[in-house]
Amino acid sequence: NAGVTQTPKFRVLKTGQSMTLLCAQDMNHEYMYWYRQDPGMGLRLIHYSVGEGTTAKGEVPDGYNVSRLKKQNFLLGLESAAPSQTSVYFCASKRNGNEKLFFGSGTQLSVL
Amino acid sequence: TQLLEQSPQFLSIQEGENLTVYCNSSSVFSSLQWYRQEPGEGPVLLVTVVTGGEVKKLKRLTFQFGDARKDSSLHITAAQPGDTGLYLCAGAPTSGTYKYIFGTGTRLKVLA
Repeated sequence: NAGVTQTPKFRVLKTGQSMTLLCAQDMNHEYMYWYRQDPGMGLRLIHYSVGEGTTAKGEVPDGYNVSRLKKQNFLLGLESAAPSQTSVYFCASKRNGNEKLFFGSGTQLSVL
Repeated sequence: TQLLEQSPQFLSIQEGENLTVYCNSSSVFSSLQWYRQEPGEGPVLLVTVVTGGEVKKLKRLTFQFGDARKDSSLHITAAQPGDTGLYLCAGAPTSGTYKYIFGTGTRLKVLA
């Protein structure tokens, strides 16, 4: 049982390039999330989804887009990367309510 | 925007000492979770507290949810090197438990 899998684990982009981060979960969870983690700022919510075909903005959505075409996958896109998007990105999922979040192991992204 | 402030931001202590980490907000949360994160990994849930005034114990860790559900604390008794990590609190707004807001984090180092 893999849980939450993120790909890639590391990526270096040049300013203006685009890329997609993939998150896949095999637990049949309804809710999926994308967070970014920066030093001294904890985890900040970028976008989230409460079910297949639905997405919503979190605290810091600007510069990112997401899609949830299949229940098990949640994609995070950067259309035109900026140095301010250098961060560690975490995907998480949960079944419902107060249940715990299951996290992937993160993607370290550097934008030069 | 609901914010969760954690204190202290950094803590370095000797093995066997006791410590308390605080998670404070001006907003009310329907529930609060504590996570621990180790380098290169995603956060892992330690506990969920739901009721104001609730106290939960997990071996040497004691978690308390404030009476007004605006704050929480984590107390570690006789800290061990294995407790080293980043501790994060996460609150679910009263408007819905599908979206968790994370605190700024407390980085703990326990020296042998």
